[in-house]
Parts: sequence; structure tokens; C-alpha cells
Amino acid sequence: QKEVEQNSGPLSVPEGAIASLNCTYSDRGSQSFFWYRQYSGKSPELIMSIYSNGDKEDGRFTAQLNKASQYVSLLIRDSQPSDSATYLCAVRAPGNQFYFGTGTSLTVIP
Amino acid sequence: DAGVIQSPRHEVTEMGQEVTLRCKPISGHDYLFWYRQTMMRGLELLIYFNNNVPIDDSGMPEDRFSAKMPNASFSTLKIQPSEPRDSAVYFCASSPLRHTQYFGPGTRLTVL
Repeated sequence: QKEVEQNSGPLSVPEGAIASLNCTYSDRGSQSFFWYRQYSGKSPELIMSIYSNGDKEDGRFTAQLNKASQYVSLLIRDSQPSDSATYLCAVRAPGNQFYFGTGTSLTVIP
Repeated sequence: DAGVIQSPRHEVTEMGQEVTLRCKPISGHDYLFWYRQTMMRGLELLIYFNNNVPIDDSGMPEDRFSAKMPNASFSTLKIQPSEPRDSAVYFCASSPLRHTQYFGPGTRLTVL
């Protein structure tokens, strides 16, 4: 079993819709969770971090964490073509190791 | 701050040659990570350092790979001898304690 699992997609949504990206993790002791965005040919860029159960909102982005279900999600409201990228879920394990999912490719169709 | 700096940005070499990738982390960050990214395997952690000390190198694929961090502002990843299957983008990232990582621009390595 992989430490972090994501649906690889591709996920396509029309412009203005809500994009929903999901991630599960295996280490129950993990405390820190992150979403990175990676444009083609670029390095991963942090867009959200979340540490406690519930929702965290930042502009059009909302991260959701459910530690009991070992589930993290990212919602992108009012999706824009510029949101088209690969989104990586990352988990910081108790030993300070980072584990990344393989990423979900998102395409926002104008 | 300039962010994480990596060099070279692109490297093309022939099989059997030695390759050295370089990284300068963000000043004040205690952790430094080396990753490899390919389409097939995604982002793989190779090794990470804490305060210049290697903590976990279990991701280093084999003895051909080695990494050093002689001081807080510099790290190298060396492949000797290189093979075509080492072709990938290699990222360096740094992190302050208990926070997330910041990635460098990456080095695209092609081994012919």
C-alpha cells in the first residue's frame, strides 16, 4: 500500500465549476497535510496546508481534513483555465518524512 | 530570499559519466530533501538531511547514487556511473522545522 494515494485523473471541469481533488494516506500518526500545484515543466508550489480536522479556506481554495477516515481533499471554486495543472497531495509523517501522491491532473475547459 | 537554487538546470550526459547536481537551500532551513520525478513513478524521495546530517537515505536507488551536505548552504547529489534509466527531473527542497517544503526549479537530467 502506498503512503499517499490519489486518483491520477485526468479530471476535467468547465470554467466556473467546482473541482474536487481527493487523497488518502496510510499513517494514522501523520499530523501535517499539504496540497501542491505543479504546472508542466515547473516545480511543485505549495497552495494549501492543513493540520486539524475540518475545513480551511484560502480564497477559491478549501482544504478538508478527516483524520478518522485518513482523507484529505481540495476544492477549487470558480475554476479558471489557469488552474489547469497537476495537484500533489503530501503528508508529513511523524518521523518528518514527506510522502507525496502521484498527483491528479486537472484541466479546466474554457 | 532567492528561494532554493539548483544547478545546472539541464544536464545531458552519456552513459557511464559522472553527474553532480547542486543545491543551495533557503537560509535558515534545517531540512534539505532530494527528490526524483518521472512520469512513471511520480515524485520519489531519495534522501533528506537535518542540520547537514543524512537522516534517511532509503530512497537512494543504489550505490551509484550518493549525496553530501558539507555545510548548511550547500548540498550535492552525485551519480557515478550514470545510466539512461537515471534520466529524470531532480528536485531539491528545503524546509524549516515542522513546516512544509519549498522546492527548487529542478535539474532535468538526460543520460544518453
